[in-house]
Amino acid sequence: EAQVTQNPRYLITVTGKKLTVTCSQNMNHEYMSWYRQDPGLGLRQIYYSMNVEVTDKGDVPEGYKVSRKEKRNFPLILESPSPNQTSLYFCASSSRVGRNEQFFGPGTRLTVL
Amino acid sequence: QQQVKQSPQSLIVQKGGISIINCAYENTAFDYFPWYQQFPGKGPALLIAIRPDVSEKKEGRFTISFNKSAKQFSLHIMDSQPGDSATYFCAAANYGGSQGNLIFGKGTKLSVKP
Repeated sequence: EAQVTQNPRYLITVTGKKLTVTCSQNMNHEYMSWYRQDPGLGLRQIYYSMNVEVTDKGDVPEGYKVSRKEKRNFPLILESPSPNQTSLYFCASSSRVGRNEQFFGPGTRLTVL
Repeated sequence: QQQVKQSPQSLIVQKGGISIINCAYENTAFDYFPWYQQFPGKGPALLIAIRPDVSEKKEGRFTISFNKSAKQFSLHIMDSQPGDSATYFCAAANYGGSQGNLIFGKGTKLSVKP
């Protein structure tokens, strides 16, 4: 089944404790992206990657890091999480940057205390 | 700077009625306008999309109307059903440019009452 998977789905952590949210797609997509969703703010892009070893900042990159060492994986790293990073996070992928459908993962709900 | 403005924030419609969600954009370079549907607990999924060379696109009960001169586009859901209850996001992108990332509106929560 073609899909984007994220882990964990739910995470409660404390301020300053480094964490990684994994994202993996099995569709051989070149383009991958991370979004955060907050009430009243919609979906905002954090980082994106056009291909392996190519990443760039989205609209809200502060406090986040990403890496793209393999085509299928695009982990999101929070090196020192803060309460304002409490949010619902989505990973997405598409075959290329173009008029192609972006496939979203199921989401990761993160709470930083 | 919000590049895609979506309204209303929430919408309640009776079963069988027409749901209308509106979006306006600022960047005239945008050339791709999709709508995504999100059910509770799920990620968004592409519903329908349009390019600016057409003024309307219809897929089943869902229609996108596009007004290039006004820089506005809208989603119409005909014969709305309780199963259509979800959050809807409009988006825009410039795929002719170098970046081409999707810019999303803030979303509209639709409730269809039986």
